[in-house]
Amino acid sequence: QSALTQPPSASGSPGQSVTISCTGTSSDVGGSNIVSWYQQHPGKAPKLILYEVGKWPSGVPPRFSGSKSGNTASLTVSWLQADDEADYYCSSYAGSDNFLVFGGGTKLTIL
Amino acid sequence: QVQLQESGPGLVKPSETLSLTCTVSGDSINNYYWSWIRQPPGKGLEWIGYIYHSGSTNYNPSLKSRVTISLDMSKNQFSLKLSSVTAADTAVYYCARRANTAMPYYFNFWGQGILVTVSS
Repeated sequence: QSALTQPPSASGSPGQSVTISCTGTSSDVGGSNIVSWYQQHPGKAPKLILYEVGKWPSGVPPRFSGSKSGNTASLTVSWLQADDEADYYCSSYAGSDNFLVFGGGTKLTIL
Repeated sequence: QVQLQESGPGLVKPSETLSLTCTVSGDSINNYYWSWIRQPPGKGLEWIGYIYHSGSTNYNPSLKSRVTISLDMSKNQFSLKLSSVTAADTAVYYCARRANTAMPYYFNFWGQGILVTVSS
């Protein structure tokens, strides 16, 4: 059982937007702005797409955006493209003891 | 640009020790934190732990009694040992690093991953 809760699936049509939630507790997501998101295509390593809630690593398009409210972080993918079909994982700093926790992942399907 | 490559046995027997190495190229081990993350087949990611270039470590509490991460500066490598493995330790194991020298709260660089199966 993952520490952070994500919906197992999400879907949208090309050109639309979709939002994926990531719910934790005040000890992780709610306790800091150290929340990140990863995209993982089948058989590949995860790719960092957002860090510190809503910042973009070099080369990631602003179609990917992030936000946080209380113990829930969200990833929004706008202007959906076929290549956005992948698994998405959230991660959060969880304090000095647990340090880093992940969500169980959300499979995004492009209809 | 830094590149990471995992290596080690793909099959480990139950109760034995899993040993993996991550070879770093394109940058030095110095000044960075180096991490291990794993992913059981069809499941989510799990943080295993990290080591700093000074040798200090931090491990996932659920694995702490069985995990050791170490550095070999002369070879620009770092390693993972997980003892007393069971089938639940079957996973793809990744080594990873953040882009800068700050705490490893997230990872810009990943190895390709190596599948380790625990089976007799």
